[in-house]
Amino acid sequence: GAGVSQSPRYKVTKRGQDVALRCDPISGHVSLYWYRQALGQGPEFLTYFNYEAQQDKSGLPNDRFSAERPEGSISTLTIQRTEQRDSAMYRCASSLRAASTDTQYFGPGTRLTVL
Amino acid sequence: AQKVTQAQTEISVVEKEDVTLDCVYETRDTTYYLFWYKQPPSGELVFLIRRNSFDEQNEISGRYSWNFQKSTSSFNFTITASQVVDSAVYFCALSEGYNTDKLIFGTGTRLQVFP
Repeated sequence: GAGVSQSPRYKVTKRGQDVALRCDPISGHVSLYWYRQALGQGPEFLTYFNYEAQQDKSGLPNDRFSAERPEGSISTLTIQRTEQRDSAMYRCASSLRAASTDTQYFGPGTRLTVL
Repeated sequence: AQKVTQAQTEISVVEKEDVTLDCVYETRDTTYYLFWYKQPPSGELVFLIRRNSFDEQNEISGRYSWNFQKSTSSFNFTITASQVVDSAVYFCALSEGYNTDKLIFGTGTRLQVFP
C-alpha cells in the first residue's frame, strides 16, 4: 500500500514480556517518528529517525524502551519487561524530508494491552 | 516550553450547523509550524493542514477553514455546514522550525454531529 503500515495492529501481552512493534514508512520517506497515545489524549512524541540515525529520543520514558531503524526504512520499537502502564496506542509516522518539519503521515497504530 | 491547548473537550452540533474548534499554542520560537489532524472513529490520524508561522493568511478548503492569529497565538478550525461524517476527534499540533521535528499535540476536541 501507499501509506504507513504498522504491525501488529493489536498486541496483548503479559506483564514482564518483551514486545516489538514494527513500522513500515511510506516509500522514500526519510524521517520516521514514534508516538504514544493514551486513551483520551493526544499523541506524545517518543523518538525519531532521519534515515538510520536516531535524532531525538528524549520522549522515550525509560530505558525499557528502545527503537532502531538499521537500514533507514523499517523501524522497530521494542519495549522490554512490559508493565501495565505501557498499555496505549503506539503510532508511527513518516515524512518525506529531514529537518524541515514536513508533514507527518501516520500509520494505523498498534494497540498494546499489557495484562 | 511548547504547549497546545484545546479547551473544548467535546462539542455536539446538529447537521448543517457551523462549528469552530479552538486551538491556542505557546512557543518561544519565531519559526514554528501548526497542524490539524482528524481522528475518525476508525482510529487513524488524518492530516488536514500545515501552516508556518510566517503565513497568517486564512485558508479555506471546501467546508473547512482555518484562522491563524499570531497576536492571540491561536489557530482555530471552522467546519461550515457540518455533516455526520465530520464526527471525529480533532487534534491541533505544534512543531518548532529547527532542531527538532517532533509534534506537540493538544488533548483533542471530540466533535459529534447529529443528523
